[in-house]
Amino acid sequence: QKEVEQNSGPLSVPEGAIASLNCTYSDRGSQSFFWYRQYSGKSPELIMFIYSNGDKEDGRFTAQLNKASQYVSLLIRDSQPSDSATYLCAVNVNYGQNFVFGPGTRLSVLP
Amino acid sequence: GAGVSQSPRYKVTKRGQDVALRCDPISGHVSLYWYRQALGQGPEFLTYFNYEAQQDKSGLPNDRFSAERPEGSISTLTIQRTEQRDSAMYRCASSLGTDNEQFFGPGTRLTVL
Repeated sequence: QKEVEQNSGPLSVPEGAIASLNCTYSDRGSQSFFWYRQYSGKSPELIMFIYSNGDKEDGRFTAQLNKASQYVSLLIRDSQPSDSATYLCAVNVNYGQNFVFGPGTRLSVLP
Repeated sequence: GAGVSQSPRYKVTKRGQDVALRCDPISGHVSLYWYRQALGQGPEFLTYFNYEAQQDKSGLPNDRFSAERPEGSISTLTIQRTEQRDSAMYRCASSLGTDNEQFFGPGTRLTVL
């Protein structure tokens, strides 16, 4: 079983809709969770991080964490074509020893 | 200030040659990470440092791969006797600490012929 799993997509949503990206992880000891966005041919850049169960909102982005279910999600409201990218879920395992990235979900926002 | 820089940006080498990839982290960042990223995949952890100490090298594929950060700043990832399967994008990232946001460099695209 892979440590961090994501649907590879592509996930296509119309402009203005809500995009929902999901991530599951296997290590119950994981403490912190990160969402990165990676445009084609570019480096990953951080969108949000979350440490505690519940929701965390930042502008059009909301991260949701459920440690009991080992599940973290990213919601993008009012999706824009510029949001089209690959979204990487990263989990900090082993109490800071290393980060494990998921394979990424490719999002396409259609004008 | 300047972000994470990596050099060279592109490296083409022949099978069997050694290569050295350089990472210059953001000034003051304690932690430095090396990843390998295949096309269409997420970054795969290789190794990381806190200051000059290599904390975890469990992701290095085999003993042809090594990394150092002798003065706690610039780091070098060395691949000896390169093989075609080593071809990939090698990314470096740095952060203030192990549980902080990682800032990625532009990567080095390695092609082994």
